[in-house]
Amino acid sequence: EAEVAQSPRYKITEKSQAVAFWCDPISGHATLYWYRQILGQGPELLVQFQDESVVDDSQLPKDRFSAERLKGVDSTLKIQPAELGDSAMYLCASSRRDRNSPLHFGNGTRLTVT
Amino acid sequence: QKEVEQDPGPLSVPEGAIVSLNCTYSNSAFQYFMWYRQYSRKGPELLMYTYSSGNKEDGRFTAQVDKSSKYISLFIRDSQPSDSATYLCAMSGGSSASKIIFGSGTRLSIRP
Repeated sequence: EAEVAQSPRYKITEKSQAVAFWCDPISGHATLYWYRQILGQGPELLVQFQDESVVDDSQLPKDRFSAERLKGVDSTLKIQPAELGDSAMYLCASSRRDRNSPLHFGNGTRLTVT
Repeated sequence: QKEVEQDPGPLSVPEGAIVSLNCTYSNSAFQYFMWYRQYSRKGPELLMYTYSSGNKEDGRFTAQVDKSSKYISLFIRDSQPSDSATYLCAMSGGSSASKIIFGSGTRLSIRP
């Protein structure tokens, strides 16, 4: 079964440093999502792409977070500078183009900021 | 008030028991309902996906939606230790139709 690929699996960084996460969605999935999940909570949407366009970034802290999906396939999420409160699991998900198609998640990147 | 409420647990039951997991919601426009299972240090895995009210069965799992009560359930029959995980409900179909809202998850432990 096709999977959403994410790397790295784990990342430890010092505060004020830059960090980047990569995601490769399931082939053919037009919609790509980045979620943040704090321990003990459900995932919260950071940004949603349809092909290469941002559909929703209303919850993305734009002063320090950026996301791109230049060719409408894989995507990168960047944090600069990282803060202690950014420690969380960063999950990428993808879905088919049709509205309300279910999400398929990768295994995430666990970020620890020290 | 959160749009989706889910009891965080933890819930501990003996192997073979029937498990009932529940979520309530406030947005009457939600039409699509999902259950995800998340093992420790892994991403959520889609278990069940239902539209509108009614029941859906898949093996040992049954999803139930009661839109009149704004209440959804996931039943697990003949529970196994491998079912020990966090279960997340999710739903969509409101004013931001493609925005999926997650519950906070219920931690389930099946005792051998």
